[in-house]
Amino acid sequence: SQKIEQNSEALNIQEGKTATLTCNYTNYSPAYLQWYRQDPGRGPVFLLLIRENEKEKRKERLKVTFDTTLKQSLFHITASQPADSATYLCALAPYSGGGADGLTFGKGTHLIIQP
Amino acid sequence: ETGVTQSPTHLIKTRGQQVTLRCSSQSGHNTVSWYQQALGQGPQFIFQYYREEENGRGNFPPRFSGLQFPNYSSELNVNALELDDSALYLCASSPGLAGGPDNEQFFGPGTRLTVL
Repeated sequence: SQKIEQNSEALNIQEGKTATLTCNYTNYSPAYLQWYRQDPGRGPVFLLLIRENEKEKRKERLKVTFDTTLKQSLFHITASQPADSATYLCALAPYSGGGADGLTFGKGTHLIIQP
Repeated sequence: ETGVTQSPTHLIKTRGQQVTLRCSSQSGHNTVSWYQQALGQGPQFIFQYYREEENGRGNFPPRFSGLQFPNYSSELNVNALELDDSALYLCASSPGLAGGPDNEQFFGPGTRLTVL
């Protein structure tokens, strides 16, 4: 069955350092991979999307890589700040053309940036 | 531009009851998806509606049903509630199909459902 794995433990990073979050998947051939941020009691907020033929995507302090051979995506936050503390969700999407399978989410990684 | 809104914020029901949750999509979005998020888990896809038709469904039983209206607002109905239905229910809208090129999802704040 399809499986998405993210760091299940909380990730503690010192302010100013780079936080790196991992998303591994099995039995899946996604067309797209997305990263979302979720704060307690709120809905996820879209951050970045990367396509299967893209190796890397950047947006301000965020960078995502996508390795379809390793079946892995890495999500980096550079110059991390306490305000970056949240749960980060990895989500996979197939390209289903006229149909829709929705997004398949991982459990998320709780990131804590310590001052 | 108004974002995705959901109502109610919180809801408490007892086992066996029925519940209706509501969602207003972001302006200009014709696709709405519903997700269930249990505590400590990622969101799980329930189903998607595109132009008032169900366009995809996850691994949820038929007692989970939905509607999308001409103004693209949506409802999620759950019959015969079970204790395991307790979760945060999220609505997400997008300008295209979830599996298409423009599949960034805009989520609402969710409805917290507790089944006793």
